[in-house]
Amino acid sequence: KQEVTQIPAALSVPEGENLVLNCSFTDSAIYNLQWFRQDPGKGLTSLLLIQSSQREQTSGRLNASLDKSSGRSTLYIAASQPGDSATYLCAVRFGSYIPTFGRGTSLIVHP
Amino acid sequence: DAGVTQSPTHLIKTRGQQVTLRCSPKSGHDTVSWYQQALGQGPQFIFQYYEEEERQRGNFPDRFSGHQFPNYSSELNVNALLLGDSALYLCASSLAGEETQYFGPGTRLLVL
Repeated sequence: KQEVTQIPAALSVPEGENLVLNCSFTDSAIYNLQWFRQDPGKGLTSLLLIQSSQREQTSGRLNASLDKSSGRSTLYIAASQPGDSATYLCAVRFGSYIPTFGRGTSLIVHP
Repeated sequence: DAGVTQSPTHLIKTRGQQVTLRCSPKSGHDTVSWYQQALGQGPQFIFQYYEEEERQRGNFPDRFSGHQFPNYSSELNVNALLLGDSALYLCASSLAGEETQYFGPGTRLLVL
């Protein structure tokens, strides 16, 4: 069964810290991987999309890496801010259109 | 430019009832996907509509059905509601052939 796991489930850090969120998946034959942000009770906002042929993508303070051989992706957030507080979701397409989501990491950045 | 909109925002139903949720895609988008997100879980793909036809379907029973209209808006219908259908229902739109999806704010359904 193709699964996506995100660790940790929750994270609380002081403002200014650099942090790493992890996403692991069970099948290395992926089509692409996407990181989303979800604010409480809201929809999803796409942050970064990494194609199977890519190793990383960057947008502002965010950097996502992909290592298919180990079945892992990391989302690096530099100089975290209270406005970064949200749930971060990882979604993997295992060769079909249908994405498989992890349960997410709930992040709190406190001032 | 309006993004993806969904209605209603919240809904309360009782077991056995039927519900219809609505989604208007982002301007210019022709493809609509629906997801169910239970509390504390990641979204699960229900189905996708393109050119008024269901193109892909996830692992959901036939109680879940949908429709896409000529203006690309879409409806999700759920019959014979169960307590387990309580969730946030998300709609996402995209342009055929492109991978980036834009999500709406969701409809929170509570089944009592």
